[in-house]
Amino acid sequence: GAVVSQHPSWVICKSGTSVKIECRSLDFQATTMFWYRQFPKQSLMLMATSNEGSKATYEQGVEKDKFLINHASLTLSTLTVTSAHPEDSSFYICSANSVNTEAFFGQGTRLTVV
Amino acid sequence: GQQLNQSPQSMFIQEGEDVSMNCTSSSIFNTWLWYKQDPGEGPVLLIALYKAGELTSNGRLTAQFGITRKDSFLNISASIPSDVGIYFCAGPRRAAGNKLTFGGGTRVLVKP
Repeated sequence: GAVVSQHPSWVICKSGTSVKIECRSLDFQATTMFWYRQFPKQSLMLMATSNEGSKATYEQGVEKDKFLINHASLTLSTLTVTSAHPEDSSFYICSANSVNTEAFFGQGTRLTVV
Repeated sequence: GQQLNQSPQSMFIQEGEDVSMNCTSSSIFNTWLWYKQDPGEGPVLLIALYKAGELTSNGRLTAQFGITRKDSFLNISASIPSDVGIYFCAGPRRAAGNKLTFGGGTRVLVKP
């Protein structure tokens, strides 16, 4: 089946620093990747849609300068949390689709900002 | 945003019991997906449904796509401890680049 790899699985960073999370489709080309944020005991909240070679589309209320998304190839999208603060601590998950598949999710990244 | 109503929100299971959960929508979906999420992991696709009325099985899991295309249910037969987790229904919006609309999730727990 389709495999989506997300890295790192967890990261702890100091307040004010930036953190980059990678999402890779390992065995298919992902025309679209999505980035989600999940709070404890809640469903997934879509942050942005990432299409290869074009600018990401952000959901309402998501700061694009805060959460930088780059989708440089059909197998890699990155999310950079810039100038992270404790309120950015969360579980971030990516998913990837090709034209022939439903969404497959990465393992998620637990971000803790101290 | 969340537009699928999923119930129950949580449930306790005892090993061997059958488990049932459902999802309803005010609008039509042409595809229904069921995912399971284990703690600290991303969701894993369990079953995909593409036709109204379709009944599909995956091992002990059975899911049905309602004939109105506004609902779906997931059954787990003869539950085992590893069935514990959060189950999400989801509907992709093809016209919006396959954005997923999620249900609120059903948390399956083991009876103490």
